Amino acid sequence: KAGVTQTPRYLIKTRGQQVTLSCSPISGHRSVSWYQQTPGQGLQFLFEYFSETQRNKGNFPGRFSGRQFSNSRSEMNVSTLELGDSALYLCASSRVAGVLNTGELFFGEGSRLTVL
Amino acid sequence: DQQVKQNSPSLSVQEGRISILNCDYTNSMFDYFLWYKKYPAEGPTFLISISSIKDKNEDGRFTVFLNKSAKHLSLHIVPSQPGDSAVYFCAASASDYKLSFGAGTTVTVRA
Repeated sequence: KAGVTQTPRYLIKTRGQQVTLSCSPISGHRSVSWYQQTPGQGLQFLFEYFSETQRNKGNFPGRFSGRQFSNSRSEMNVSTLELGDSALYLCASSRVAGVLNTGELFFGEGSRLTVL
Repeated sequence: DQQVKQNSPSLSVQEGRISILNCDYTNSMFDYFLWYKKYPAEGPTFLISISSIKDKNEDGRFTVFLNKSAKHLSLHIVPSQPGDSAVYFCAASASDYKLSFGAGTTVTVRA
């Protein structure tokens, strides 16, 4: 079955602009989580959506937002981009929320954002 | 505030030998720990996990050890193979299911 699909894979923006990233989960998966990966910081949790509701949120400023649609696809938006927002943004999906012990959390390949 | 730390950014090991990756955490509420493996241009994939009620979990060549009193866990890969060359992330979670990841350790297995 198709894996987690993230678009676009690469993009370049300038400071002050806004960006929208998209994530299509594995078919049948209803939970989508977003992570930011930067060198030296590992992956940092942004938020998790389940059944169109934000279930969990990390410690990021309000410029970072997300949403989930009825088909479980999710988007995240970053407004007023800063240089420090340059990162790999990873999306992960699972059948249900809060699934960790069976390893049923599948990651996409990520969207690499460069802010100039 | 980095709650999960992988202090060795890289590790080089000869094929057939043991790879030992270390991870320390600060949050005593963490009760579930995972290791993920990541190849370039791919997303992380789940490798092995351990809950806080155990001190060891084994899956084939991979074994994870947990020392709760020291807030330390390690991943042993025996024997190391060239295909094991990747970035390994340690992750931890409390009951809120938010995963906190370390910065990763890049493993290079030399032939």
